[in-house]
Amino acid sequence: NAGVMQNPRHLVRRRGQEARLRCSPMKGHSHVYWYRQLPEEGLKFMVYLQKENIIDESGMPKERFSAEFPKEGPSILRIQQVVRGDSAAYFCASSLYSGRANYGYTFGSGTRLTVV
Amino acid sequence: AQTVTQSQPEMSVQEAETVTLSCTYDTSESDYYLFWYKQPPSRQMILVIRQEAYKQQNATENRFSVNFQKAAKSFSLKISDSQLGDAAMYFCAYRSGGETSGSRLTFGEGTQLTVNP
Repeated sequence: NAGVMQNPRHLVRRRGQEARLRCSPMKGHSHVYWYRQLPEEGLKFMVYLQKENIIDESGMPKERFSAEFPKEGPSILRIQQVVRGDSAAYFCASSLYSGRANYGYTFGSGTRLTVV
Repeated sequence: AQTVTQSQPEMSVQEAETVTLSCTYDTSESDYYLFWYKQPPSRQMILVIRQEAYKQQNATENRFSVNFQKAAKSFSLKISDSQLGDAAMYFCAYRSGGETSGSRLTFGEGTQLTVNP
């Protein structure tokens, strides 16, 4: 079992470009979560998705950020027109169950986005 | 909204000694879970230990144990017989027991642990 796979591991974008971060959950996991870690800070929840559905996007910035988890393929976190403040590590986690039955996540190793 | 506070940005310990990392949280819920995660320089988030709020017994995993004080909303991590490989950033995290909100972790700001040989 390969675990949660995130790619790329490092991504450099110029201001105004688009960033696409990919996350393949653990095999059999249908719940995906995205978190952002700004320098010197803890992780902050962004969005929770199930296959083809956004369940909770209360942590997503209202503009430029979107996420999807299609029926086939990885989950994608998309950041349009990136700015320097978007520079951070973005983590994906997956779980087999949700809510009370979710005893723990498995995290990926993150994508470090640098905006220059 | 729930908040998690780690008041020690940095801690250090001698190899083979014991260290305790502090965590407090604020919630109005009675059903929740608490976690300690370790983040080494590789950036991988590794679950260290988990505590269910309804359980009075403190969780233990080998050299790692917690002191869960529900009334005081305190959840400290004790690392015994510290090893060089324990050096990492440690995050305390809270999760509600609810269905949708229970899928979201709220993290503290972290404590950087240094282990001295």
